[in-house]
Amino acid sequence: ELKVEQNPLFLSMQEGKNYTIYCNYSTTSDRLYWYRQDPGKSLESLFVLLSNGAVKQEGRLMASLDTKARLSTLHITAAVHDLSATYFCAVGRTFAGGTSYGKLTFGQGTILTVHP
Amino acid sequence: DADVTQTPRNRITKTGKRIMLECSQTKGHDRMYWYRQDPGLGLRLIYYSFDVKDINKGEISDGYSVSRQAQAKFSLSLESAIPNQTALYFCATSDSSPATNEKLFFGSGTQLSVL
Repeated sequence: ELKVEQNPLFLSMQEGKNYTIYCNYSTTSDRLYWYRQDPGKSLESLFVLLSNGAVKQEGRLMASLDTKARLSTLHITAAVHDLSATYFCAVGRTFAGGTSYGKLTFGQGTILTVHP
Repeated sequence: DADVTQTPRNRITKTGKRIMLECSQTKGHDRMYWYRQDPGLGLRLIYYSFDVKDINKGEISDGYSVSRQAQAKFSLSLESAIPNQTALYFCATSDSSPATNEKLFFGSGTQLSVL
């Protein structure tokens, strides 16, 4: 059974500070996603990571993937209030003869609050 | 207009009632999914469909059923609602285009409360 664990689950940051959210998963996967959810809203895709060593960056967020360690990180640089949201990682399972498509296993989510 | 539309946005129902949540999409995607979100648990897959004739159970399908009425429509039914089905339900779509890498596109969600 594929398990995905994020930590921390709650993160309170000061504006301007850096921090990292960790996503560990238990079995081999062919792809890892990061999503953002604003309060009361839907989920929005941030990054798709497809191979070992993959790194993606957009604005103050950078995601990386280490498939050997079964670990992905989401690094936040110089946080601003607009980054306050819940962040989910999600992992696709590899099936014999195919990929995971959209059958994803999600982490619990990390609730990020950025304050002055 | 939203690409993935869910109705209703909110619903309160009583234990034992049958309820249907509807999802329609204008993205032209073949694949559609129903996920459930509970606080502290993330999202869990209920059912998924890769085309109109294909329906598959996800990890928590008990107590739910689905219908893929057309490529663009995928509905979720609770045959006899119970309180622990109170949750936020999301419909999502994906396609096989390499450009999207099978990422999911989510609807706005339906908040369901079973009393």
